[in-house]
Amino acid sequence: QKEVEQNSGPLSVPEGAIASLNCTYSDRGSQSFFWYRQYSGKSPELIMSIYSNGDKEDGRFTAQLNKASQYVSLLIRDSQPSDSATYLCAVSPNDYKLSFGAGTTVTVRA
Amino acid sequence: GAVVSQHPSRVICKSGTSVKIECRSLDFQATTMFWYRQFPKQSLMLMATSNEGSKATYEQGVEKDKFLINHASLTLSTLTVTSAHPEDSSFYICSASDNLNTEAFFGQGTRLTVV
Repeated sequence: QKEVEQNSGPLSVPEGAIASLNCTYSDRGSQSFFWYRQYSGKSPELIMSIYSNGDKEDGRFTAQLNKASQYVSLLIRDSQPSDSATYLCAVSPNDYKLSFGAGTTVTVRA
Repeated sequence: GAVVSQHPSRVICKSGTSVKIECRSLDFQATTMFWYRQFPKQSLMLMATSNEGSKATYEQGVEKDKFLINHASLTLSTLTVTSAHPEDSSFYICSASDNLNTEAFFGQGTRLTVV
């Protein structure tokens, strides 16, 4: 079983719609959860971090964490063409060492 | 956020030669640095963790004699790919942490092509 699993995608959404990304993890000791955006040929860029159960909103992005279900999600509201990228879910037990999911590629259609 | 500079951004080398990649934290002291590798259309895979002044800890399946990591100062870590082969062609990315913040910061990545 992979440590971090994401829905495989690719995910295509029209501009202005909501993109929903899901991630599950296997290590119950995980304490820190991150969503990164990666454009082709570039390094990952941190979008959201979440550490406690519930929702966390930052602009058009909302992360949701449910530790009991070992599940973390990312919603992108009012999707824009510039949001087209691969989104990586990453999990850490708080030693700063990240386990990444395989990523979900999102395409926002204009 | 903090700045991590990785150099070079791209390198092409001949099979059998060695390549050194540098990762520098520009505005903080990086107690811990991580080296990742990413093959096309795959996710980042952790290769090794290095703490300043200590030997690196390598992940299972990563050859420590092939991927030499040095973390001699709080602002610089290097990864040397020795006797490179075409299968080592990949995107190598470092990240650095001061072990105080919950976030580790990524360098820009190095695209290595071995011909």
